[in-house]
Amino acid sequence: ILNVEQSPQSLHVQEGDSTNFTCSFPSSNFYALHWYRWETAKSPEALFVMTLNGDEKKKGRISATLNTKEGYSYLYIKGSQPEDSATYLCAFLPDNAGNNRKLIWGLGTSLAVNP
Amino acid sequence: EPEVTQTPSHQVTQMGQEVILRCVPISNHLYFYWYRQILGQKVEFLVSFYNNEISEKSEIFDDQFSVERPDGSNFTLKIRSTKLEDSAMYFCASSEFLSGHGYTFGSGTRLTVV
Repeated sequence: ILNVEQSPQSLHVQEGDSTNFTCSFPSSNFYALHWYRWETAKSPEALFVMTLNGDEKKKGRISATLNTKEGYSYLYIKGSQPEDSATYLCAFLPDNAGNNRKLIWGLGTSLAVNP
Repeated sequence: EPEVTQTPSHQVTQMGQEVILRCVPISNHLYFYWYRQILGQKVEFLVSFYNNEISEKSEIFDDQFSVERPDGSNFTLKIRSTKLEDSAMYFCASSEFLSGHGYTFGSGTRLTVV
């Protein structure tokens, strides 16, 4: 059974703090790793799609790294702001044959940034 | 920016009733998906759809569920006889490429079965 784990489950930080979370995924049959940001009552917003071992991606104050050999990805937020408060989900895309690509999701890390 | 739209945003239905959840994927996307999230649980894959047929379905997607693309733009999920445990947030997504790049999610339909 393919499983994706995220830690920590929740995090409270002060405005201006930098923070990071972990996503662990199966290291075999890797195709891609997605990060999404999900605010309550909105649709998940794609942050990054990572495909290569050693990938590092950046979007403003948010960045992510990928290690496919050991099966983990880190998401970093530099200088957290209250508007960063959301649930951050990672999803693993296995390398399956056929015309489908089903994402396998972690439970998410819920981030609350206090002003 | 193109988006995936879902209607209704919230539906309340009585147990045993049929519901149809509607989605309009991005027009040039070829791959369509339904996911759901029961409160407090992980997002779960239900079904993927390509070339007018189901390409994969999960064990959740039993005979009470069906999907179709009735008119080339809408993508619907039908639940024939709803159960209490079907209460969840249902998300539609579409993707242009098989690689999964450009996955775009709709804003979801919250289904409450009473």
